Amino acid sequence: GAVVSQHPSWVICKSGTSVKIECRSLDFQATTMFWYRQFPKQSLMLMATSNEGSKATYEQGVEKDKFLINHASLTLSTLTVTSAHPEDSSFYICSASRLRQGSYEQYFGPGTRLTVT
Amino acid sequence: RKEVEQDPGPFNVPEGATVAFNCTYSNSASQSFFWYRQDCRKEPKLLMSVYSSGNEDGRFTAQLNRASQYISLLIRDSKLSDSATYLCVVNRAGGYQKVTFGIGTKLQVIP
Repeated sequence: GAVVSQHPSWVICKSGTSVKIECRSLDFQATTMFWYRQFPKQSLMLMATSNEGSKATYEQGVEKDKFLINHASLTLSTLTVTSAHPEDSSFYICSASRLRQGSYEQYFGPGTRLTVT
Repeated sequence: RKEVEQDPGPFNVPEGATVAFNCTYSNSASQSFFWYRQDCRKEPKLLMSVYSSGNEDGRFTAQLNRASQYISLLIRDSKLSDSATYLCVVNRAGGYQKVTFGIGTKLQVIP
């Protein structure tokens, strides 16, 4: 159990275009999902916390108008990178939170590798 | 001071060795603790939750020390396949969750 999928797994887009990444919890409901970014040889960086039915909470330095997050249902959150630029090229990973034995475990999607040309 | 601190390593150990990692956290309101494993260019995978009483899963043992605010991971009889980055994760729940990752400790098991 506790499977999280992400789509697409990789995407190449031109500078100035927008890219939407989907994160789905397949066998459990997740009121909270998280979006991370990871550059090569660096640690995961939390971008935002996505709560079902309410606005996402963005970390300091992350532009909410550039990284649009929508948590429309208990099993789906989307991240849209708007007007992408080459510096947005990164590995984007989502996680969904599941309550188990009194604590919230994070289950990660396989990630989306974004390359902006 | 970072909210979650880990020694980034790398830890180079021979096959069969026992290796231990520590992770300290600064927020005493932290409620849940985990160890994740991340392989190169892959997503993190949950290795084990860390309970107050400590827990063991095969060759892996996790411990929590609330008084000193650290968690530990012990790996016995290291295998080549244990080579990865081990991430310490702290969750401060209550209302909305606040998940914080450590930078990760890189382990390289050498034949």
